[in-house]
Amino acid sequence: DTEVTQTPKHLVMGMTNKKSLKCEQHMGHRAMYWYKQKAKKPPELMFVYSYEKLSINESVPSRFSPECPNSSLLNLHLHALQPEDSALYLCASSPRQQGPLETQYFGPGTRLLVL
Amino acid sequence: EDQVTQSPEALRLQEGESSSLNCSYTVSGLRGLFWYRQDPGKGPEFLFTLYSAGEEKEKERLKATLTKKESFLHITAPKPEDSATYLCAVSSPDYKLSFGAGTTVTVRA
Repeated sequence: DTEVTQTPKHLVMGMTNKKSLKCEQHMGHRAMYWYKQKAKKPPELMFVYSYEKLSINESVPSRFSPECPNSSLLNLHLHALQPEDSALYLCASSPRQQGPLETQYFGPGTRLLVL
Repeated sequence: EDQVTQSPEALRLQEGESSSLNCSYTVSGLRGLFWYRQDPGKGPEFLFTLYSAGEEKEKERLKATLTKKESFLHITAPKPEDSATYLCAVSSPDYKLSFGAGTTVTVRA
């Protein structure tokens, strides 16, 4: 089973709202990732958690706040977003035991629209 | 910084018309090269991992090959369900993936 789940599938929010994206995996993976993907562009890395600790932040604006409550869950808290933040937000996970060869498995994504 | 370039940007095929997609890369030292398939509005689906030059992997109508500077994804006798965007990515020592822009394949019946 290589399933990563994400909720919600779709989200519409105003610029003053606070919302959260959720990601879950039960593969025992110890690395989890958030990516942002704009239309017709490849995924762009935002954050990496390794063993529940933030290991990479790709200079993402503070209106995006990641959280890793445990090894299976990853959240992305959203606050005061801008319309240009509208995109497909992807979560991924990997074992963190196989070196750089290890595969990242992606969830289905959350389609976010900021009005 | 790792760079990945995919060509062509788009590929339109007739059902049964075999073709190849190219992924060229510039890295300080290849750790792994990955191929993913992505359908519109969905997350990338893992296809292959390649590491050593000369390595080949197959899955149904897809075959991926790797040289020292590029990788090819061959689609043999494609069907309409093979229509998707195919993404190539290389990994860095800190587990980051650098993606190419992708090749969008459309297979007409």
